[in-house]
Amino acid sequence: GQQLNQSPQSMFIQEGEDVSMNCTSSSIFNTWLWYKQEPGEGPVLLIALYKAGELTSNGRLTAQFGITRKDSFLNISASIPSDVGIYFCAGHSLNYGGSQGNLIFGKGTKLSVKP
Amino acid sequence: DAGITQSPRYKITETGRQVTLMCHQTWSHSYMFWYRQDLGHGLRLIYYSAAADITDKGEVPDGYVVSRSKTENFPLTLESATRSQTSVYFCASKGQNTEAFFGQGTRLTVV
Repeated sequence: GQQLNQSPQSMFIQEGEDVSMNCTSSSIFNTWLWYKQEPGEGPVLLIALYKAGELTSNGRLTAQFGITRKDSFLNISASIPSDVGIYFCAGHSLNYGGSQGNLIFGKGTKLSVKP
Repeated sequence: DAGITQSPRYKITETGRQVTLMCHQTWSHSYMFWYRQDLGHGLRLIYYSAAADITDKGEVPDGYVVSRSKTENFPLTLESATRSQTSVYFCASKGQNTEAFFGQGTRLTVV
């Protein structure tokens, strides 16, 4: 089946540090999404990317849609304690005709921030 | 209230029992999804639906049944629950011009 390889699996950082995580796939994606999940809650959309090369920011978060359409990264600048959570990449693969229904997720990056 | 709601939030059932998890959305979104979340596996797609009466298998559909007789509801049924189906289940919905919104999840334990 389709797979998204997300790394790193977990990160332990000091408050104020910058964070970078990425997602790669063996197939081409026409959409890349980044979600955050806090304990006991469902994932919440942070950033959506629709074009190869697109760079989008949402506050301290910046994400890019890779030129090859097979990867994406998410950066968090000047981390704060409330950034703690699990970050997921997700997308629609062109292998399924870009079907909006086949929305698949990476395994997540668990972020811990030490005050 | 507008949004997407799942019920129940918590469920304990016995092996072999039939269990139905409910999902209801008020946005009239055309797409709905069911995922399961397990440690080390992230979110895995079980089934999705593009519209009422249209459903498709995802990555891990075995042991599950879905239906979509109305746009707003997308129940997930475990016909004969097994311990390997112990998980947290998330429902999501998506409109044509929006990305997916998730419910709060149902924690299912099969004993």
